[in-house]
Amino acid sequence: VQVSESGGGLVQPGGSLRLSCVTSGFNFNSYTLNWVRQIPGKGLQWVSGISSSGASTYYADSVKGRFIISRDNSKSTLYLQMNSLRDEDSAVYYCAKPNDGEALDSWGQGTLVAVSS
Amino acid sequence: DIQMTQSPSSLSASVGDRVTITCRASQSIITYLHWYQQKPGQAPKLLIYTASTLQSGVPSRFSGSGSGTDFTLTISNLQPEDFATYYCQQTFSTFMYTFGQGTKLEL
Repeated sequence: VQVSESGGGLVQPGGSLRLSCVTSGFNFNSYTLNWVRQIPGKGLQWVSGISSSGASTYYADSVKGRFIISRDNSKSTLYLQMNSLRDEDSAVYYCAKPNDGEALDSWGQGTLVAVSS
Repeated sequence: DIQMTQSPSSLSASVGDRVTITCRASQSIITYLHWYQQKPGQAPKLLIYTASTLQSGVPSRFSGSGSGTDFTLTISNLQPEDFATYYCQQTFSTFMYTFGQGTKLEL
């Protein structure tokens, strides 16, 4: 299983970024997927999840209405569109796949998002 | 939201020791509890899932137990590579997953 995030960078408050997560080595269409973030030096926070078909999406309250999770099953790729970014959104963003027990057994290396003027 | 509280926040130990980290949920999560290890600059690594199932490839010195609201991660015969930060996570609330605040295990 390979998971690789990209798209992070420096953005001003109020700006937007789109993160991508390219995967391989498993049946992408069969799994829910998640974004988890971590402020450097701090703990882990689940951000968003999406059902295997993409029909259902879920968000932490802190990002609801600003972030949009989506997936392209034909490309085995997960996305996170982040709008109206705030300083407190600065973090490393990980893409993570669950196992059958719903634990996150495959993670990417993360992509760093820095929101600053 | 279900709150997850880990204790202690940090822990000092020596090679060869046995240590226990506790995670408490604010309501019953049955056994929807998982443990991760994270080293600096790396992504979290799954160690234990559904409270007590050892992830493939994880050494048997790691073990988990508990159900309901109280859970423990035990590491026996600590090895140098075990010094890291450990997190618990609940997945009882579908897609409202929460993590504990982490326990830093230091030499």
